[in-house]
Amino acid sequence: NAGVMQNPRHLVRRRGQEARLRCSPMKGHSHVYWYRQLPEEGLKFMVYLQKENIIDESGMPKERFSAEFPKEGPSILRIQQVVRGDSAAYFCASSLWDILDNTGELFFGEGSRLTVL
Amino acid sequence: KNQVEQSPQSLIILEGKNCTLQCNYTVSPFSNLRWYKQDTGRGPVSLTIMTFSENTKSNGRYTATLDADTKQSSLHITASQLSDSASYICVVSPRGGSNYKLTFGKGTLLTVNP
Repeated sequence: NAGVMQNPRHLVRRRGQEARLRCSPMKGHSHVYWYRQLPEEGLKFMVYLQKENIIDESGMPKERFSAEFPKEGPSILRIQQVVRGDSAAYFCASSLWDILDNTGELFFGEGSRLTVL
Repeated sequence: KNQVEQSPQSLIILEGKNCTLQCNYTVSPFSNLRWYKQDTGRGPVSLTIMTFSENTKSNGRYTATLDADTKQSSLHITASQLSDSASYICVVSPRGGSNYKLTFGKGTLLTVNP
């Protein structure tokens, strides 16, 4: 039973290019969350998605960032026209139920580390 | 503003010794508190989850405690091993409809030396 799979693990982009980060949740999980970890900082919530629905994107910058979780295939976090400040580790997590359940387990992927030159 | 503060920032101990990591939070209302272990370059892995009504939870050599009145938690590691070297992150979930908006601490970086 594979865990949460993220790719690429490392991505280097020049300023102005686009970055696409992919996340396949654990088998059977329909709730996906993206978090960003800036250097020396704790993880910060970005967006919560269910299949074909964005539930909450309040943590995501309104410009240049978008996320989707299509009916088929992985969830995608897309960053357009990247800037140096986008350099960070982006973590995807998935859960079987929405974590309104107090004991809902959240499983994280290994992260995608974006470096913007 | 919801915050989670962890101390110490970093800690070095010898293999076989015990240690205790601290977490103070201001998240309110509060639903549950989680401790994660994050190896360098890897994703966080869950150690314990405690609801606001629990005050202790164990997972092998890891024991977490929670005092919801003082808004403090601790993670005690017994008989440390070299593989315990990692960052330990305290994470608090708010109560209510947005409890996926977890507040993460910056972590305590633990180094276990032989």
